[in-house]
Amino acid sequence: QKEVEQNSGPLSVPEGAIASLNCTYSDRGSQSFFWYRQYSGKSPELIMFIYSNGDKEDGRFTAQLNKASQYVSLLIRDSQPSDSATYLCAVTAQAGTALIFGKGTTLSVSS
Amino acid sequence: NAGVTQTPKFQVLKTGQSMTLQCAQDMNHNSMYWYRQDPGMGLRLIYYSASEGTTDKGEVPNGYNVSRLNKREFSLRLESAAPSQTSVYFCASSVRAFQETQYFGPGTRLLVL
Repeated sequence: QKEVEQNSGPLSVPEGAIASLNCTYSDRGSQSFFWYRQYSGKSPELIMFIYSNGDKEDGRFTAQLNKASQYVSLLIRDSQPSDSATYLCAVTAQAGTALIFGKGTTLSVSS
Repeated sequence: NAGVTQTPKFQVLKTGQSMTLQCAQDMNHNSMYWYRQDPGMGLRLIYYSASEGTTDKGEVPNGYNVSRLNKREFSLRLESAAPSQTSVYFCASSVRAFQETQYFGPGTRLLVL
């Protein structure tokens, strides 16, 4: 059974701080990695995807991938109250036959 | 572009009733998916259609059927609803199956009494 693990939180950070969200996965052959944000009562929306080892930056968001450690993370710089949401990590299974979602980490940014 | 649309938004059923959840996308995507999301369980794949004319089971297919009506539309049918099917159902689509970004519809909240 392929698994994606996330700390459920809540992760609480003050406004302006860096929020660090972590995800580990069990399928060593996974190739595609996604971070989705889900506000309460809404559908998931893509924040970033990453395919290669290293860092990928998009505005205040940085995704980090380490395939050797089977670890992917999302950093949110200058956190805002509007960033308060549940963040879902999703990993493609090696055979390309599934996208496995973690259960999500709830982030709370206080002003 | 509307993206991915789902109907209805909310539905209450009695045990044993049937219903069909509708999903349509206008992004010319090849692949479409149905997920359910339950508290503490995350998103779980029910069925997917990698391309028009094909459908395959996901992680939790029991009690559901699907139809890929055409490239745009993918419906999910509950033949005899059970309380265990109370959930939020999301439809999603992507250019290629699983390898690329999935775009989600707004969801259908289903309560089975």
